[in-house]
Amino acid sequence: LAKTTQPISMDSYEGQEVNITCSHNNIATNDYITWYQQFPSQGPRFIIQGYKTKVTNEVASLFIPADRKSSTLSLPRVSLSDTAVYYCLVGPYSGAGSYQLTFGKGTKLSVIP
Amino acid sequence: EADIYQTPRYLVIGTGKKITLECSQTMGHDKMYWYQQDPGMELHLIHYSYGVNSTEKGDLSSESTVSRIRTEHFPLTLESARPSHTSQYLCASSEYNPNTGELFFGEGSRLTVL
Repeated sequence: LAKTTQPISMDSYEGQEVNITCSHNNIATNDYITWYQQFPSQGPRFIIQGYKTKVTNEVASLFIPADRKSSTLSLPRVSLSDTAVYYCLVGPYSGAGSYQLTFGKGTKLSVIP
Repeated sequence: EADIYQTPRYLVIGTGKKITLECSQTMGHDKMYWYQQDPGMELHLIHYSYGVNSTEKGDLSSESTVSRIRTEHFPLTLESARPSHTSQYLCASSEYNPNTGELFFGEGSRLTVL
């Protein structure tokens, strides 16, 4: 499974755009990149997933360069409620095979008023 | 909203007691998982199941056991709780999909063993 590296923590003011970058140098051809959000005392929640280029949903955007060795989660105009830990995961999604994802330590985002 | 439920949310228990953490999902998902997470630390997969009567150990060794008799139910049991078992236990489920693999998590069970 590809190992991921992301910043331990980030601070941002309300209303700013936040970009969290994740490195995954040994990503495999059939690996997808997925980001989860976790609030204290809750389970993680799926935010966005992509394979290459750019993916956007109502919550965030995910930018993946052509070499796929890194990815950037972009949160537009963050609010205090976006304060959470954000995890970058890389792994295959074959329904027929083993499905084990590794959650690293994540990035603790603190949004400041 | 994910339909996956864990009980109890919080449990404080003495050493040596047997405990069972319940996890149920109403989405009909075949795959279910148990993760263990200490405060501020990573999630570690301790058990997973691909369906009824299927259980496997995860990456992190755990003294807990699991069973999967029904699709919707995946309980975790500790026969004799110890202070080292104090942690948060998170249950998750997913369904087969060749393109995505979203995990749906419960809110967790926080266990404290005195």
